[in-house]
Amino acid sequence: NAGVTQTPKFQVLKTGQSMTLQCAQDMNHNSMYWYRQDPGMGLRLIYYSASEGTTDKGEVPNGYNVSRLNKREFSLRLESAAPSQTSVYFCAAGDRGLKKLFFGSGTQLSVL
Amino acid sequence: RKEVEQDPGPFNVPEGATVAFNCTYSNSASQSFFWYRQDCRKEPKLLMSVYSSGNEDGRFTAQLNRASQYISLLIRDSKLSDSATYLCVVNPNNAGNMLTFGGGTRLMVKP
Repeated sequence: NAGVTQTPKFQVLKTGQSMTLQCAQDMNHNSMYWYRQDPGMGLRLIYYSASEGTTDKGEVPNGYNVSRLNKREFSLRLESAAPSQTSVYFCAAGDRGLKKLFFGSGTQLSVL
Repeated sequence: RKEVEQDPGPFNVPEGATVAFNCTYSNSASQSFFWYRQDCRKEPKLLMSVYSSGNEDGRFTAQLNRASQYISLLIRDSKLSDSATYLCVVNPNNAGNMLTFGGGTRLMVKP
């Protein structure tokens, strides 16, 4: 039982390059989330998906797009990476009523 | 003003000490509150929920003060393994779709 799996664990991009962060959960939760974590800023919500087929913006959506491919998978895409997107990215899945979030192990992204 | 604020620390305490963290939140309508723990370079994990009447889980006690809009976490008999960052988390609208995280308080327990 893997829980929430996200890939890759590390990535270095040049400014302007694009990439997709993948996330999959095997817990059958409806809600999935993408957060970024920067020093001193805590986790900030980028996008979330309350259920398959729906996505909504969070606190810091600019420069990102998401796809809820099915109930299991929720991907985050950077179309044209910028140095300000250097961060640690966490995918999460939530149980009903959001009593608990389960996080993936994170992706450390550096944009040069 | 941030929605959820915490003292970033670090709190440096000896083993066996009692340590307490506070967290303030800005949305008075918030209904759900949690403490998460995050080890260095790891993902956050739920430590405990915070209930209106206060609750305890072993050495950990969580309290909620709605009037002053703060949450506290008390750790008794600190262990080396308690060294981590503690994140205060609030569901600001109880819609069940979003959680707001504080910046975290770093705890270092020394031998």
